Amino acid sequence: DIVMTQAPLSSPVTLGQPASISCRSSQSLVHSDGNTYLSWLQQRPGQPPRLLIYKISNRFSGVPDRFSGSGAGTDFTLRISRVEAEDVGVYYCMQTTQFPLTFGGGTKVEIK
Amino acid sequence: QLQLQESGPGLVKPSETLSLTCTVSGGSISGDSYYWGWIRQPPGKGPEWIGSFYYGESTSYNPSLKSRVTISADTSKNQFSLKLSSVTAADTAVYYCARHDRGYSGRYSVLSSDYWGQGTLVTVSS
Repeated sequence: DIVMTQAPLSSPVTLGQPASISCRSSQSLVHSDGNTYLSWLQQRPGQPPRLLIYKISNRFSGVPDRFSGSGAGTDFTLRISRVEAEDVGVYYCMQTTQFPLTFGGGTKVEIK
Repeated sequence: QLQLQESGPGLVKPSETLSLTCTVSGGSISGDSYYWGWIRQPPGKGPEWIGSFYYGESTSYNPSLKSRVTISADTSKNQFSLKLSSVTAADTAVYYCARHDRGYSGRYSVLSSDYWGQGTLVTVSS
């Protein structure tokens, strides 16, 4: 199984300031078709996870452009350019390059 | 608008079988381009993928659960189901059904998990 490791566990951020979350995979997420299937999901309190980013850097429909993803191979980053109150929650990276699909342990974004 | 809704008992006794159903509206589980699956999340922990299927093809299961899990589909009702046998307290979790976008660039792939149900809490306790 591919193990996904996120850092930090918690990220206190001032409103309007940027936030950054790291995700590392135990092996390359490059698929045999040449694409890399790394997604980011947001889970607000009491809600199901919601897709933000897929294939490293593609924003899903309706996702604000303050969210961006980058990376390659085994190292990936989610950035929020200016944190808003509605961004509070837990963020997970997820790989869909191979079965079993696996998730990172999560990073909690909270307001200072 | 695609919607997924989980249903089933909220309390299951140890050693019994957990059974849940996902009802899909706004899309067909037998249509092209999507896998359908189950994911669970124990209280205070991250999500864990259980298994997924593409209609008409084989189902993939998490090896850690494979011996106890069955996922099946009923296209006449546009539903799919989860059965998890011999449950213990460790199976207590919120269970979600989800859609996974399927891609093709020379080989088939899972692009993402783009739609999730609201989830249903299943507690295993006597």
